Amino acid sequence: AQTVTQSQPEMSVQEAETVTLSCTYDTSENNYYLFWYKQPPSRQMILVIRQEAYKQQNATENRFSVNFQKAAKSFSLKISDSQLGDTAMYFCAFMKIGGGGADGLTFGKGTHLIIQP
Amino acid sequence: SAVISQKPSRDICQRGTSLTIQCQVDSQVTMMFWYRQQPGQSLTLIATANQGSEATYESGFVIDKFPISRPNLTFSTLTVSNLSPEDSSIYLCSVGLQGGSRTEAFFGQGTRLTVV
Repeated sequence: AQTVTQSQPEMSVQEAETVTLSCTYDTSENNYYLFWYKQPPSRQMILVIRQEAYKQQNATENRFSVNFQKAAKSFSLKISDSQLGDTAMYFCAFMKIGGGGADGLTFGKGTHLIIQP
Repeated sequence: SAVISQKPSRDICQRGTSLTIQCQVDSQVTMMFWYRQQPGQSLTLIATANQGSEATYESGFVIDKFPISRPNLTFSTLTVSNLSPEDSSIYLCSVGLQGGSRTEAFFGQGTRLTVV
């Protein structure tokens, strides 16, 4: 079984600042993906960024980037030029890829990110 | 991608009754997943629903409490039985699509259940 740990229950930064959310995980699997999902008050789960475990290059999506350290089992999310709309719960998640395809996700406890005007 | 319609979006139920949540996907998928999100908490996987076979439940979740149906490749239901206030949560269905750099889990909008 795998575990995902987010050690920051809440973070608050000023608009336009850069913020980094931490995530560590533990697994014995070799074929997996890591994700950051955003959940605003509407409760819709929105994909922020994904990382394929076998890729060494860190994923980037516009203002969002990750620092993926496979050996250390670390997967942090950096948000640059933060915006008010970034205020939400952020969940780090692990997906195993099995014989049947994509497996269910294991989530961290989440980080509540607040962007102050 | 996948679009998931989940119904109802919210409900208030009396203790001892049951609630059935429906999940419709706009494409055929082998596995569908059901999650529970307790107030202020993260998402926890309840079970994996495979078409044509019994659902697979995670530790701490049992079929008698959370029966699941999966009649075809685009539809599933989750029933929360014999409701108690502790069942008040958001329930979400999800599908995972594996596609290399497009691998992603898609979620319904969730069902907010309040048990009184």
